[in-house]
Amino acid sequence: DGGITQSPKYLFRKEGQNVTLSCEQNLNHDAMYWYRQDPGQGLRLIYYSQIVNDFQKGDIAEGYSVSREKKESFPLTVTSAQKNPTAFYLCASTDKRGQPQHFGDGTRLSIL
Amino acid sequence: RKEVEQDPGPFNVPEGATVAFNCTYSNSASQSFFWYRQDCRKEPKLLMSVYSSGNEDGRFTAQLNRASQYISLLIRDSKLSDSATYLCVVNSYSGGYQKVTFGTGTKLQVIP
Repeated sequence: DGGITQSPKYLFRKEGQNVTLSCEQNLNHDAMYWYRQDPGQGLRLIYYSQIVNDFQKGDIAEGYSVSREKKESFPLTVTSAQKNPTAFYLCASTDKRGQPQHFGDGTRLSIL
Repeated sequence: RKEVEQDPGPFNVPEGATVAFNCTYSNSASQSFFWYRQDCRKEPKLLMSVYSSGNEDGRFTAQLNRASQYISLLIRDSKLSDSATYLCVVNSYSGGYQKVTFGTGTKLQVIP
């Protein structure tokens, strides 16, 4: 079955540590996105990528980094510069302009 | 003004009731529109696309009013399982990039 896989489902970060969240899709979608959701809040865009080797900052990119070396993969690194990383992180993808996004089932990141 | 605005609710309705949500958007060049459903601590899932002519899927009806820049979702004969947060999503395009904007969601609680 085609879909988007995010891992791990739960992640804990120590102070001063960088952590990387994985997002893999086998839908052959060109565009991929990372969102952050805080409790009771809406989705906020961190980064997005329309094609391989290209990505753009979203609304809250500070403290995060991404790469898009392969079409299938769009990992997100939460750096130590992100002072309040505790949130629910969602990865999404879409194939063509105007089509809806498909989401992975998310990663919950917490501070130890 | 937010790009996409929704009444956060909560809407508390009895089983069997009809409930309607509205969502307004500010970018008149927006081109595609969707409703998503998000259950507590889960990823958003596509409920339906919204077309200019209006569209229906079982108990759910979506409408788009481009002149007034709003979309709506009508749920008839509400079920307990309809309890969730409903997100409106608007796609627009700028500089060759697709921009996806989520509303903050409207919470629905269907009561026995």
